[in-house]
Amino acid sequence: DQQVKQNSPSLSVQEGRISILNCDYTNSMFDYFLWYKKYPAEGPTFLISISSIKDKNEDGRFTVFLNKSAKHLSLHIVPSQPGDSAVYFCATDQGGSEKLVFGKGTKLTVNP
Amino acid sequence: EAQVTQNPRYLITVTGKKLTVTCSQNMNHEYMSWYRQDPGLGLRQIYYSMNVEVTDKGDVPEGYKVSRKEKRNFPLILESPSPNQTSLYFCASRPGQGSGQPQHFGDGTRLSIL
Repeated sequence: DQQVKQNSPSLSVQEGRISILNCDYTNSMFDYFLWYKKYPAEGPTFLISISSIKDKNEDGRFTVFLNKSAKHLSLHIVPSQPGDSAVYFCATDQGGSEKLVFGKGTKLTVNP
Repeated sequence: EAQVTQNPRYLITVTGKKLTVTCSQNMNHEYMSWYRQDPGLGLRQIYYSMNVEVTDKGDVPEGYKVSRKEKRNFPLILESPSPNQTSLYFCASRPGQGSGQPQHFGDGTRLSIL
């Protein structure tokens, strides 16, 4: 049973427009949600996180929104740049458990 | 420079030949973990360690062993590799327990088991 779902395997947007990547989860006990970005031939790198007690966290062009009632979070990138082209993973961890769960990833392509 | 180092980066080997993928971090992190990435399946946790001599299974531990004798090292051992273990492997570390701490990942090890 997949606890974290990224239902869109890929997303293509134009440079300068908004990119919205989505993630759904099933376990309401998750404490934190994290987004990682991965370029080919490199390991994932941390991008931004949000605590379950918040509904928004912003860092420059990146904003993550959390809707607890819908068990849904989204990553907004504004404006999108070609260098943002990568695979984005949503991940969660649960207080008291050190097992981390990742989604399958969404490949973002930003076209110049 | 803070980093997680994996070796080798690429390996092609044959079924049944024992192999070890090393992982070392220079950040004095307590928590270390191994993941495998497969097409359409994302990142799945194999094993993790919360400190020296403390290890536990992740979601896909079958066919793998780990050890944590020193804080900085967390090798992944495949005693008898099989073709279904062909994958891209990542080691990661983070400071310690507690929710929300981001992990630092190595650059990956691509294993091909023939």
